[in-house]
Amino acid sequence: NAGVTQTPKFQVLKTGQSMTLQCAQDMNHNSMYWYRQDPGMGLRLIYYSASEGTTDKGEVPNGYNVSRLNKREFSLRLESAAPSQTSVYFCASSGPQLNSYNEQFFGPGTRLTVL
Amino acid sequence: GQQVMQIPQYQHVQEGEDFTTYCNSSTTLSNIQWYKQRPGGHPVFLIQLVKSGEVKKQKRLTFQFGEAKKNSSLHITATQTTDVGTYFCAGGNDRGSTLGRLYFGRGTQLTVWP
Repeated sequence: NAGVTQTPKFQVLKTGQSMTLQCAQDMNHNSMYWYRQDPGMGLRLIYYSASEGTTDKGEVPNGYNVSRLNKREFSLRLESAAPSQTSVYFCASSGPQLNSYNEQFFGPGTRLTVL
Repeated sequence: GQQVMQIPQYQHVQEGEDFTTYCNSSTTLSNIQWYKQRPGGHPVFLIQLVKSGEVKKQKRLTFQFGEAKKNSSLHITATQTTDVGTYFCAGGNDRGSTLGRLYFGRGTQLTVWP
């Protein structure tokens, strides 16, 4: 089992460019999450998905969109990247039901720089 | 809204010294989880506490959940260089719109000098 995989591992964008971060899990989890991590700020939730076809906003959703393509995949899109979106992005999954008692499994992260 | 505060932000210790990080929540939590992130890595689950006053141990690590379920601590006895990393607490509060969400503290970055 690969667990949670993310692509790409690194990305450099220019201001205004768009891109999609991909995330997939093979643990048959229902819940998936996108976080961003900035120095000294911990992990902040961008969006999450309780199950296929549902998504909800987290603490910092502005400037992002998400798609829960199927049970395995949850993508994060930046439509018009800004330097403030320079960060490390982590995808996580947990299951089988949506509740906070489940351990979250994190992917290796995507390190994004916006110039 | 839900907030989980964690202190200290940084801790530098000599190998063999003890280390403690503390978390406090503005509201009562249903549970608290602890994660460790090695430098350049991703967060990895360590443990979960659910009951009021609960204490759990993993070798040199001792985790506590306060009686009011609003605070928690992680204590490492006799630190080793392998303990280096950032330790995060994450509180859950499964009520209504917060169902399924974990609120992460900002983390304590531990450095251990040999």
